[in-house]
Amino acid sequence: DGGITQSPKYLFRKEGQNVTLSCEQNLNHDAMYWYRQDPGQGLRLIYYSQIVNDFQKGDIAEGYSVSREKKESFPLTVTSAQKNPTAFYLCASSRPTGSGNTIYFGEGSWLTVV
Amino acid sequence: QKEVEQDPGPLSVPEGAIVSLNCTYSNSAFQYFMWYRQYSRKGPELLMYTYSSGNKEDGRFTAQVDKSSKYISLFIRDSQPSDSATYLCAMSLFTGNQFYFGTGTSLTVIP
Repeated sequence: DGGITQSPKYLFRKEGQNVTLSCEQNLNHDAMYWYRQDPGQGLRLIYYSQIVNDFQKGDIAEGYSVSREKKESFPLTVTSAQKNPTAFYLCASSRPTGSGNTIYFGEGSWLTVV
Repeated sequence: QKEVEQDPGPLSVPEGAIVSLNCTYSNSAFQYFMWYRQYSRKGPELLMYTYSSGNKEDGRFTAQVDKSSKYISLFIRDSQPSDSATYLCAMSLFTGNQFYFGTGTSLTVIP
């Protein structure tokens, strides 16, 4: 089945450690995104990428990094510089412009800093 | 002013009721309008997608877009306990890959 796969589903991290969240899609979408979702705050954009080897900062990029070496993959690293990393992280991808502008989400990854 | 406004609720209705969920927006250039359903601790699932103005129906769900009022709605008929979730609206322009989301409305359908 086509879709977006995020792993791990749950992750615990000690303060001061970096952690990488995986996101893979087989929808053949060019654009991919990372959002953070906190209770009562809606979705906030961390990074997005429209093509391979290119990505742009979103509204809350500080303390995060990404790479886009393959069309299918867009991993997110939460670094120790992120002051409040405990959150629900969502990866998404969107259909090409001109063929219906919709966005699809993975199942999410829960990160808890202990 | 936020680009997309959505009443967070919570909204609680009895089973079988008609539910109306709404969003308003400020950017008249939005062309694509989406509704997502998000169950607790899960990713949002695309429910309905419409282009420009008008209505779209899918089973018990109807999406309505009024561009003159910058107002979109999602109606759920014969609501079921399984409809209990958070509903997010989203919008985008004709070109580009940016999306604008409401904060979500929490709905509980009581058996």
